[in-house]
Amino acid sequence: DIQLTQSPSFLSASVGDRVTITCRASQGISSYLAWYQQKPGKAPKLLIYAASTLQSGVPSRFSGSGAGTEFTLTISSLQPEDFATYYCQQLEAFGPGTKVDIK
Amino acid sequence: EVQLVESGGDLVQPGGSLRLSCAASGLMFSGYDMNWVRQAPGKGLEWVSFISSSGYTIYYANSVKGRFTISRDNAKNTLFLQMNSLTADDTALYYCASDRSVSGSRTYGYWGQGTLVTVSS
Repeated sequence: DIQLTQSPSFLSASVGDRVTITCRASQGISSYLAWYQQKPGKAPKLLIYAASTLQSGVPSRFSGSGAGTEFTLTISSLQPEDFATYYCQQLEAFGPGTKVDIK
Repeated sequence: EVQLVESGGDLVQPGGSLRLSCAASGLMFSGYDMNWVRQAPGKGLEWVSFISSSGYTIYYANSVKGRFTISRDNAKNTLFLQMNSLTADDTALYYCASDRSVSGSRTYGYWGQGTLVTVSS
């Protein structure tokens, strides 16, 4: 089974900051990786699929890159509504999550 | 607008059973693969089970295999999860989630609001 790890597990940032989250797979998964955002008390929301394709309606400040075993989610300019937990996912595996908090 | 509405969560004793339902609207339910994903209190997301659009292909997480059964009624636009032999480790918010695409991408495009299952004596 594929294992996904994320780093960092927690990050503190300010509005306007550029934020990067990394997801690593235990074996190569081509570009089959998705990213989700979850706010407290809410269901997760799909942000990016196929490693770099933005889901419809998701702001363009979100971007994804990578292939094989290493992937990144970047928020180019952090907005107040972006403070949340972010998960990567491939098939049945989810990463442990990265919580983005306000500095 | 796509809506997935879960129901059936409850407080149940260890060893007990529950049946969760997820009613779908706003999408061609019979064309979408469906999943159950759970989240224990304060923890991350854990995929539980998958069922293909036709119902012919089914997968389970090792943690629930042999105890949980996923099914669907495409005529009633409803997904089910029969949960037996429940333990405290099954305590979680259970989400139903549809595939993003009718072509079966194994990514979760639509989510319900979740239904809470608590296993405790």
